Amino acid sequence: DQQVKQNSPSLSVQEGRISILNCDYTNSMFDYFLWYKKYPAEGPTFLISISSIKDKNEDGRFTVFLNKSAKHLSLHIVPSQPGDSAVYFCAASRGFGNEKLTFGTGTRLTIIP
Amino acid sequence: DTAVSQTPKYLVTQMGNDKSIKCEQNLGHDTMYWYKQDSKKFLKIMFSYNNKELIINETVPNRFSPKSPDKAHLNLHINSLELGDSAVYFCASSIRGVGNTEAFFGQGTRLTVV
Repeated sequence: DQQVKQNSPSLSVQEGRISILNCDYTNSMFDYFLWYKKYPAEGPTFLISISSIKDKNEDGRFTVFLNKSAKHLSLHIVPSQPGDSAVYFCAASRGFGNEKLTFGTGTRLTIIP
Repeated sequence: DTAVSQTPKYLVTQMGNDKSIKCEQNLGHDTMYWYKQDSKKFLKIMFSYNNKELIINETVPNRFSPKSPDKAHLNLHINSLELGDSAVYFCASSIRGVGNTEAFFGQGTRLTVV
């Protein structure tokens, strides 16, 4: 049972445009959400996170939006750059002190120069 | 200066063998993890240790035995390797309570069982 889902396995975006990556979850107990970026042959690296008490968090070119009623979050990257080409994983956890991250299956983002 | 380091990066071995993967973190974190990414790219937690104490064991076969000699190290020993164990194994660490902070991952160990 996949509790965190990324339904788009891949996405291609023109350089300079906005990239929007989507993530859906089914477990209403999740209250903290993270996005990780992964290059080939490397481990995932943390990108940005959001707590369930917020609906938006922004860090430079990256913004995460959370819609709790829809159990949906999205990552916006603007403007997209070639170095953003990577696999992006959405992850979720339940509460402070809960050490388990549940990951989505990832979306491969390709930025076209 | 690598924050979370795993060795080896690649491991090819025959079925039935026993192998270990080592992990060390120099971030001063008190929680460490092992994650497995299978051929379908699912990234799933296997174990979590906090200050050398096992706190998460996600229905992993008992052929897999984590060992934490101190809070900076979490090794993974696998007995009687099977073809289905082929995957990429990631070590990670965080401050206690991943809900408030992110986990840092190592570069992964690609295990191939032949």
